[in-house]
Amino acid sequence: RKEVEQDPGPFNVPEGATVAFNCTYSNSASQSFFWYRQDCRKEPKLLMSVYSSGNEDGRFTAQLNRASQYISLLIRDSKLSDSATYLCAVIGYGGSQGNLIFGKGTKLSVKP
Amino acid sequence: DGGITQSPKYLFRKEGQNVTLSCEQNLNHDAMYWYRQDPGQGLRLIYYSQIVNDFQKGDIAEGYSVSREKKESFPLTVTSAQKNPTAFYLCASSMRAPTISYNEQFFGPGTRLTVL
Repeated sequence: RKEVEQDPGPFNVPEGATVAFNCTYSNSASQSFFWYRQDCRKEPKLLMSVYSSGNEDGRFTAQLNRASQYISLLIRDSKLSDSATYLCAVIGYGGSQGNLIFGKGTKLSVKP
Repeated sequence: DGGITQSPKYLFRKEGQNVTLSCEQNLNHDAMYWYRQDPGQGLRLIYYSQIVNDFQKGDIAEGYSVSREKKESFPLTVTSAQKNPTAFYLCASSMRAPTISYNEQFFGPGTRLTVL
């Protein structure tokens, strides 16, 4: 099982829709999780950090499910400007001690 | 403005040539990182540095070299030993060395390297 896995999508949704992505991680000891947004041909930018039970920022909600070892990102009332690739990242353990391990990203396309 | 700069934005290289990618930060961050991203792929760690004059290999260090002579600068050299160097290279920095706790990384705009 890969350390961090994401559904690559694409998720094609209409404006105003609610969409959710999941990201699974393999190391049950992982403590810190992040969602980054990456626009086409640009650098990733931190969208949200996810601690303990989750985090909410406006239309965006991140949740952590330790029992099933996944984090989720929920976007409500999708905007055209939300179209991007969303990368999940987990702080690694063992050989990857302390470094961020990224998933391959989930592509979101919001249509008018 | 504080931030991370990378240059050049686009770089073309002939096979067999070494090239050096620049990364500078004025955030006073201790730790710096180099990642490689291929189309449709996540970021893979090449090298990282926790402090000046020290650096460690990441997951895909073969064919690359780095130096950290100044806190602000972490240049990456792509050598001719790197068999498939065409990729998007991203530099990042964080306030402190990698730990198991929260450690947000900030990214530069990236350098897109193409081997001709």
